[in-house]
Amino acid sequence: AQKITQTQPGMFVQEKEAVTLDCTYDTSDQSYGLFWYKQPSSGEMIFLIYQGSYDEQNATEGRYSLNFQKARKSANLVISASQLGDSAMYFCAMRDNTDKLIFGTGTRLQVFP
Amino acid sequence: DTGVSQDPRHKITKRGQNVTFRCDPISEHNRLYWYRQTLGQGPEFLTYFQNEAQLEKSRLLSDRFSAERPKGSFSTLEIQRTEQGDSAMYLCASSQMEGRGEKLFFGSGTQLSVL
Repeated sequence: AQKITQTQPGMFVQEKEAVTLDCTYDTSDQSYGLFWYKQPSSGEMIFLIYQGSYDEQNATEGRYSLNFQKARKSANLVISASQLGDSAMYFCAMRDNTDKLIFGTGTRLQVFP
Repeated sequence: DTGVSQDPRHKITKRGQNVTFRCDPISEHNRLYWYRQTLGQGPEFLTYFQNEAQLEKSRLLSDRFSAERPKGSFSTLEIQRTEQGDSAMYLCASSQMEGRGEKLFFGSGTQLSVL
């Protein structure tokens, strides 16, 4: 069965520093997609970045990059140059052949000055 | 692009009452999803539609829950005989079907409190 695991309930980072949020996944499919979403206190889920299982390059979107290690089944999110506005919940998610997005339990990131 | 709209933002009801939520997806999106999120958890899949067809319903969804998308545009989620355990944020998302990379765009959710 597909599963997403986020082992860090909370993380702290100082402004302008980089931070890595961990995500591991489990699926028996060869073709799947991995996603990261941000959820600020307002509640809306905001798409950040996507990585396909066959993509050879790690995905990048501005200050966000995805460290994809297929053999280890990990898809860690790296946020560079953290900003105060990055404080939020971050969710890792996966879609395989079940055609729906399955989410992890999330990591609360707090950026301090 | 008006985004995904959900109404109401907040709903307080008494146990045993019925409630209905509405979701208006992004206009050109043919898929619509409902998720439920409780405090400290990630969103949990409930059901989804492709156009007006309901393609999958979670086994976690009891018979008290029903969802419709009558004309392939907006959707409603009804909960009958609400229970305190139904208290949660109900999130709607829409997407354009595009394989594994299909991105979901979420609304701001409806926060349900059952007293």
